[in-house]
Amino acid sequence: DAKTTQPPSMDCAEGRAANLPCNHSTISGNEYVYWYRQIHSQGPQYIIHGLKNNETNEMASLIITEDRKSSTLILPHATLRDTAVYYCIVTGRGGSYIPTFGRGTSLIVHP
Amino acid sequence: ETGVTQTPRHLVMGMTNKKSLKCEQHLGHNAMYWYKQSAKKPLELMFVYSLEERVENNSVPSRFSPECPNSSHLFLHLHTLQPEDSALYLCASSQSTGLVSYNLPLHFGNGTRLTVT
Repeated sequence: DAKTTQPPSMDCAEGRAANLPCNHSTISGNEYVYWYRQIHSQGPQYIIHGLKNNETNEMASLIITEDRKSSTLILPHATLRDTAVYYCIVTGRGGSYIPTFGRGTSLIVHP
Repeated sequence: ETGVTQTPRHLVMGMTNKKSLKCEQHLGHNAMYWYKQSAKKPLELMFVYSLEERVENNSVPSRFSPECPNSSHLFLHLHTLQPEDSALYLCASSQSTGLVSYNLPLHFGNGTRLTVT
């Protein structure tokens, strides 16, 4: 799996957009970008994934740069319940790939 | 309800005890995983079962013994643990199309918080 780099912590005001960056400059052509989050004392929760196009679902949007060397997870209207550790993972979608989790970004949403 | 249920949620055991952690998934998946999450450390993969066969064992000490009786259930048997084994133990599942072919994403349970005294 390609290595990812995320800031260790970020904060965001409630109701504002939270933009979480991830660098993955060694990503290869068949590797996807996955995002998970882990709320305190719970298991990680899958959020979204993408290959090269921008993606949106009910939880978040994923913006991948044209060269695919970085991406941004956007929570459009952050709430207090979005306070969590967010993990960016680059891995193959199928095949013999098992995700490796780094330290992620600890996002604190404040009132 | 995550679709992956782990029991118990909390467990305190002495170093001479034997206990088991249980994981059950209701998602129709056929690959299951054990991860360990120690305080302030990233998740560490311990074991992977695909189609009920163990296909990954990441140099885990023998005091941890996994069991996968069917594709819906996964156990982690514990014996003579050490205090440094205290951690959050997470189970996950995913679809699998072969012994070493996994389809993401992973679906996690909420873990068992283990304390070894």
